[in-house]
Amino acid sequence: AQKVTQAQTEISVVEKEDVTLDCVYETRDTTYYLFWYKQPPSGELVFLIRRNSFDEQNEISGRYSWNFQKSTSSFNFTITASQVVDSAVYFCALIMAQTGANNLFFGTGTRLTVIP
Amino acid sequence: SAVISQKPSRDICQRGTSLTIQCQVDSQVTMMFWYRQQPGQSLTLIATANQGSEATYESGFVIDKFPISRPNLTFSTLTVSNLSPEDSSIYLCSVGRTDRETQYFGPGTRLLVL
Repeated sequence: AQKVTQAQTEISVVEKEDVTLDCVYETRDTTYYLFWYKQPPSGELVFLIRRNSFDEQNEISGRYSWNFQKSTSSFNFTITASQVVDSAVYFCALIMAQTGANNLFFGTGTRLTVIP
Repeated sequence: SAVISQKPSRDICQRGTSLTIQCQVDSQVTMMFWYRQQPGQSLTLIATANQGSEATYESGFVIDKFPISRPNLTFSTLTVSNLSPEDSSIYLCSVGRTDRETQYFGPGTRLLVL
């Protein structure tokens, strides 16, 4: 069965600190896609990144970076030099290419609070 | 990414009534979906809105409670029928250009049922 686990329910950091949000997934499919979305207090869901299961290269986009490790089934997200605007709920999600149709399975989310 | 709008952005409804939520996209998309996010919870897929045919519902969701229309490739509606306080949630539509592609979400509709 598929599953996405975000063990950190809430994290608070002081502005300019680095923070890593953990995501561990389970799937029997050999082809799958992983995502991170940000949900600020306004409620909309903002797409951040998509990774397919064949691409284990880490990615950096500005202050954001992602570490994908198939060996540990993890897809962790790091924010460097955090800012107050980073305060939001962050969701990790999974689409299974072979058995899951287009169902995005979401983790329970991590609420990040950046304190000025 | 597509520009997605939802109407209404929020509503307060009485028990037993229904609310219809509209999702409009600024370009044609193959895939449209409806999700529910209960207070403090994650998102759960309600159904896939199929153009020209009946929606495909996930386990635990039925057409009588959540009828969906999709008359064309840019528009869909979700109706939440016979409302109860347990239906108080954020309802979000999402779109994807092709199968298993990235889904982009609308701004959501916040529903409170009294």
